[in-house]
Amino acid sequence: SQKIEQNSEALNIQEGKTATLTCNYTNYSPAYLQWYRQDPGRGPVFLLLIRENEKEKRKERLKVTFDTTLKQSLFHITASQPADSATYLCALLYSSASKIIFGSGTRLSIRP
Amino acid sequence: GAGVSQSPRYKVAKRGQDVALRCDPISGHVSLFWYQQALGQGPEFLTYFQNEAQLDKSGLPSDRFFAERPEGSVSTLKIQRTQQEDSAVYLCASSAHFESWETQYFGPGTRLLVL
Repeated sequence: SQKIEQNSEALNIQEGKTATLTCNYTNYSPAYLQWYRQDPGRGPVFLLLIRENEKEKRKERLKVTFDTTLKQSLFHITASQPADSATYLCALLYSSASKIIFGSGTRLSIRP
Repeated sequence: GAGVSQSPRYKVAKRGQDVALRCDPISGHVSLFWYQQALGQGPEFLTYFQNEAQLDKSGLPSDRFFAERPEGSVSTLKIQRTQQEDSAVYLCASSAHFESWETQYFGPGTRLLVL
């Protein structure tokens, strides 16, 4: 069965630095890969989507890369701020199925 | 603007009790998803509706779980004879269309605790 691995340990970053989160998967590559942000007590919020034929996608301070050879996606937050502190989830989507597979998330903490 | 709402936000049930969790999706959204999220884990897919049709229920953990969306808008997830392992946050999400890549808008979830 498909497995997703995200950094299980929390990531602590100094404000202003770039935070990089990793999402690795096994088996077959998804058609799409999404990144979500989740704050305590709330549902996930969609951030970015990248397709399997795209290498990189940017949105403001966010950047996502997708390497189907390495079976890995990297999520970058540049000029990080304490307000960026949250859990970040990656999710794999397959065009032939209606289900979406989430990773367990990485907790990011930005210290002032 | 109105997002996805869920009720109740918190539910405490005694083992063996039946519970019903409600989801009000964004108006006009075709697709509706239910997920179960255990503490420290990502959401796990339970079931999916396109309008009133339940197209995929492969993630429902047992026949004690039942979901419906009779008029293609509000959905209810029912859990019969609750067990302690059912304790989790139940998330509902909706999307405007039925493509798998469509952005899903999540509700705040219902936190279920079975004692």
